[in-house]
Amino acid sequence: AQSVTQPDIHITVSEGASLELRCNYSYGATPYLFWYVQSPGQGLQLLLKYFSGDTLVQGIKGFEAEFKRSQSSFNLRKPSVHWSDAAEYFCAVVPSGGGADGLTFGKGTHLIIQP
Amino acid sequence: DVKVTQSSRYLVKRTGEKVFLECVQDMDHENMFWYRQDPGLGLRLIYFSYDVKMKEKGDIPEGYSVSREKKERFSLILESASTNQTSMYLCASSTVRGYTFGSGTRLTVV
Repeated sequence: AQSVTQPDIHITVSEGASLELRCNYSYGATPYLFWYVQSPGQGLQLLLKYFSGDTLVQGIKGFEAEFKRSQSSFNLRKPSVHWSDAAEYFCAVVPSGGGADGLTFGKGTHLIIQP
Repeated sequence: DVKVTQSSRYLVKRTGEKVFLECVQDMDHENMFWYRQDPGLGLRLIYFSYDVKMKEKGDIPEGYSVSREKKERFSLILESASTNQTSMYLCASSTVRGYTFGSGTRLTVV
């Protein structure tokens, strides 16, 4: 069965510093990959997704992610975080071609921004 | 803008009650999903549906059922609510190119 691991439960970053959130997946073939963000009391907002092609994906709010097949990873990065980036971040996968299958989510990383 | 609407943001129900959580999408998507979200556990798939009147069990279907009588509406049913079903419930719909989530319903069972 496919699985997603986000090894960091909490991360604290100073405002203006760079950020990297880790995501590793276990799956037989390259799946479709997603990063979502959830602000307190809100639903999930899609930051970016990878289906195929260029392994560096640009998303909204200045985020990007890099797919590394050899490491089964899809890490999320931002060069300079803002206080408004404090939220819960979820990595998710689905079999390629999926849409009828449910997403499999990691357990999330809680991002705290220090002033 | 595409939308997935969950009818209630907050619900408080008593143990043993039958509870209906409603979800409506306006995107003509075939696929719809129900997840529950708990701290430290992420989102877990309860049920999904790929067509009207079709349903498939997800990872944690016990204690839940679903109904999809119309393409745009997917209901999650707690036949007899229990305190361990206190959680945030998220509905989603999808095509092959992506998923859209509702804002969630926070259910408290007392």
